[in-house]
Amino acid sequence: GENVEQHPSTLSVQEGDSAVIKCTYSDSASNYFPWYKQELGKRPQLIIDIRSNVGEKKDQRIAVTLNKTAKHFSLHITETQPEDSAVYFCASDPGAAGNKLTFGGGTRVLVKP
Amino acid sequence: GAVVSQHPSRVICKSGTSVKIECRSLDFQATTMFWYRQFPKKSLMLMATSNEGSKATYEQGVEKDKFLINHASLTLSTLTVTSAHPEDSSFYICSAREPGPYNSPLHFGNGTRLTVT
Repeated sequence: GENVEQHPSTLSVQEGDSAVIKCTYSDSASNYFPWYKQELGKRPQLIIDIRSNVGEKKDQRIAVTLNKTAKHFSLHITETQPEDSAVYFCASDPGAAGNKLTFGGGTRVLVKP
Repeated sequence: GAVVSQHPSRVICKSGTSVKIECRSLDFQATTMFWYRQFPKKSLMLMATSNEGSKATYEQGVEKDKFLINHASLTLSTLTVTSAHPEDSSFYICSAREPGPYNSPLHFGNGTRLTVT
């Protein structure tokens, strides 16, 4: 089955700096890659996603890049703010095979004021 | 966007009792819903796929007789934790895909924190 590795597991940045989280996946058939933000005790919320037919997608301070050849994708947060502090999960979707997402292990991001 | 509602948000029960958790898709129909379990500071672990009108598909290692799933309508799936024990204490979250293509975005319910005493 699919395996998703996420790094780093924790990330501490100064407010205003950028944060980058990287994920790799194993199933070359995967074609959809969402990112979720989860605040303590709350549900994961979809913040951005990318499909395999594009290499990059941006939404304000958040961007995601995808390298299908290398089977890795990354989340970039620019001009970080304290409210960006949360746990971020990447995921991959192989599409057909049961339509199930496989999640990475998560990255705990702390933005220091 | 699509909204998934989950109830209750918290439940405390005694060992040996059963607990039912409801997951509803609001304003859209979901033929498939997914149930996840999350331990503290850990990732989301898929337990089972709930299929409307048919049996749920369980992931390897998940006891189907322990975690009963029923998806009786296009907007409601339920997870019943039977004969609960303290090790069943966890955060349970349901999810459903918004209407669209087969890999449309997945949205989560607000989760249920189960504590078994």
